[in-house]
Amino acid sequence: QVQLQASGPGLVNPLGTLSLTCAVSGGSISINNWWSWVRQPPGKGLEWIAEIHHGGGTNYNPSLKSRVTISVDKSKNLLSLTLTSVTAADTAVYYCAKNFDTALDPWGQGTLVTVSS
Amino acid sequence: QSALTQPASESGSPGQSITISCTGTSSDVGGYNYVSWYQQRPGEAPKLMIYEVSNRPSGVSNRFSGSKSGNTASLTISGLQAEDEADYYCSSYTRSTGGSTLYVFGTGTKVTVL
Repeated sequence: QVQLQASGPGLVNPLGTLSLTCAVSGGSISINNWWSWVRQPPGKGLEWIAEIHHGGGTNYNPSLKSRVTISVDKSKNLLSLTLTSVTAADTAVYYCAKNFDTALDPWGQGTLVTVSS
Repeated sequence: QSALTQPASESGSPGQSITISCTGTSSDVGGYNYVSWYQQRPGEAPKLMIYEVSNRPSGVSNRFSGSKSGNTASLTISGLQAEDEADYYCSSYTRSTGGSTLYVFGTGTKVTVL
């Protein structure tokens, strides 16, 4: 069973760049599958951010597309996300997940990122 | 793309059944049979409960069932148990105005077992 574990800096300065990684274990990130990032502001709902296929195909949420880059490192079995020009509105728990057809399963445990000076 | 609309809360006594609605538009819920449901307990990551409107992943109790009519999807929890107390989110596949894949989530429903 594939397992995912997201990790990040914890605290990012306003207008800075947020960089997250997601370690995939129990399976290869290079299988014929898509992988996603989802975020959840404290006490609020879920927001899908982006997805990527190991072959390089990507899809982004239009609301974040101008600031987001999703990528994979096949050699390290890592999924990554970069978000630029962050503000307090980007404070959230960020989850990585494996796409299961048009659903997401499983999800990683998530990492809290706070944007503050 | 707006979030799908769910009731803020639902509640029921142990053993009862409850149904959570998820209302979208013909561009998302109504346009595709790609609605999924997630259970999220406090401090935990979401867990997939239903995919493609009514399919249960392996290991999910058959007390959970899904359906759809028009632009509204529903999740029914039968034989409510204390462990079902959690937040529930629906999600639908859709296409952005540019034609690329997009997933939208519902506003979330807090289920309380009385």
